[in-house]
Amino acid sequence: EDQVTQSPEALRLQEGESSSLNCSYTVSGLRGLFWYRQDPGKGPEFLFTLYSAGEEKEKERLKATLTKKESFLHITAPKPEDSATYLCAVQPFSGNTPLVFGKGTRLSVIA
Amino acid sequence: EPEVTQTPSHQVTQMGQEVILRCVPISNHLYFYWYRQILGQKVEFLVSFYNNEISEKSEIFDDQFSVERPDGSNFTLKIRSTKLEDSAMYFCASSADNEQFFGPGTRLTVL
Repeated sequence: EDQVTQSPEALRLQEGESSSLNCSYTVSGLRGLFWYRQDPGKGPEFLFTLYSAGEEKEKERLKATLTKKESFLHITAPKPEDSATYLCAVQPFSGNTPLVFGKGTRLSVIA
Repeated sequence: EPEVTQTPSHQVTQMGQEVILRCVPISNHLYFYWYRQILGQKVEFLVSFYNNEISEKSEIFDDQFSVERPDGSNFTLKIRSTKLEDSAMYFCASSADNEQFFGPGTRLTVL
């Protein structure tokens, strides 16, 4: 069974304090690993797709990396507006299959 | 920037009533999905739709659920006889290739 585990469940950072969120996965065959941001009461907002081990993608203060077993979302010098829940999801290797989500990491950045 | 839209934003219904949740996917996308998120839990896949038919569905998507693309723009999810446990956020998503873009969600409350 395809599974995604995210850690920590919650993370509280001071503004400017860099950190990383972890997403470990087991999947029959990985087509893609996705990171989304979700604000309270809103839909997931697409951030990145990673397809192969060693791949990295960046967007502003966020950088996502991928290995064969896990992905990291690095947040550099976060700001209060980065506070949100960050969701990781995998897409098994077969067509446009549905995403399997983790529970997310709830990030709070304090000014 | 094109986005997925959903209506209504909030639906309150009595147990046993039928509800229809509506979505307008991004116009050039061909793959459509419904997911749901019970409060405090993971985003869970319900059903995927391609070429005017269901391509995949989860165990949650039982005979009480149906989907339809009644015209060239709308994509609907119908729950025939709602139960208390159907209370959740329902998200529509669409994709052209791999990346799935989510709508803002409909909060369904079953009383």
